[in-house]
Amino acid sequence: AQSVSQHNHHVILSEAASLELGCNYSYGGTVNLFWYVQYPGQHLQLLLKYFSGDPLVKGIKGFEAEFIKSKFSFNLRKPSVQWSDTAEYFCAVKASGGYNKLIFGAGTRLAVHP
Amino acid sequence: KAGVTQTPRYLIKTRGQQVTLSCSPISGHRSVSWYQQTPGQGLQFLFEYFSETQRNKGNFPGRFSGRQFSNSRSEMNVSTLELGDSALYLCASSLDWGQGHRGSYQETQYFGPGTRLLVL
Repeated sequence: AQSVSQHNHHVILSEAASLELGCNYSYGGTVNLFWYVQYPGQHLQLLLKYFSGDPLVKGIKGFEAEFIKSKFSFNLRKPSVQWSDTAEYFCAVKASGGYNKLIFGAGTRLAVHP
Repeated sequence: KAGVTQTPRYLIKTRGQQVTLSCSPISGHRSVSWYQQTPGQGLQFLFEYFSETQRNKGNFPGRFSGRQFSNSRSEMNVSTLELGDSALYLCASSLDWGQGHRGSYQETQYFGPGTRLLVL
């Protein structure tokens, strides 16, 4: 069965620190990869996505992610976090042939202190 | 363009009752998926509808059902509510030209605000 693993459940950073959130998936075929963010009291929003092509994708608010096929990973990065980045981050995978079924990781709660 | 809307936003029910949640997708979107979000299990896929047909289903009991109307609006129903059904129910829509065009492969799902259901 497909699964998504997010390594860190809680991350605490100070403003201006760099961020890297890990995401690994288990599926041998072709996948679409996503990072969604859920700010406090708000709905899930798309941060970035990877379908094909350049494995380094850029998203909104300065976030980027790198797809490493050999490692089944899709890690999220941001060089300098802000207090407003405090949120929960979800990695999600959609397998080819899986129609629109997203498999989500457990999420990472990020707290950024001023 | 308006986003995905869900009604009601909050709901309180008692065990044994049933509930119907509604989702209006982004205009022009043809696929609607439903997810359950709980602190313990995270985000779990319930089912997906496309052209009024259930196209995919997650591992939930038969008490959870849904349907899609010709205008792509969708409803999900939970019968005989249990305490463990308390959750945030999220609806997501995607454009999806379906198989035979691009297929549903490279599609992005956009989420609504959710309906928070509390079962007492």
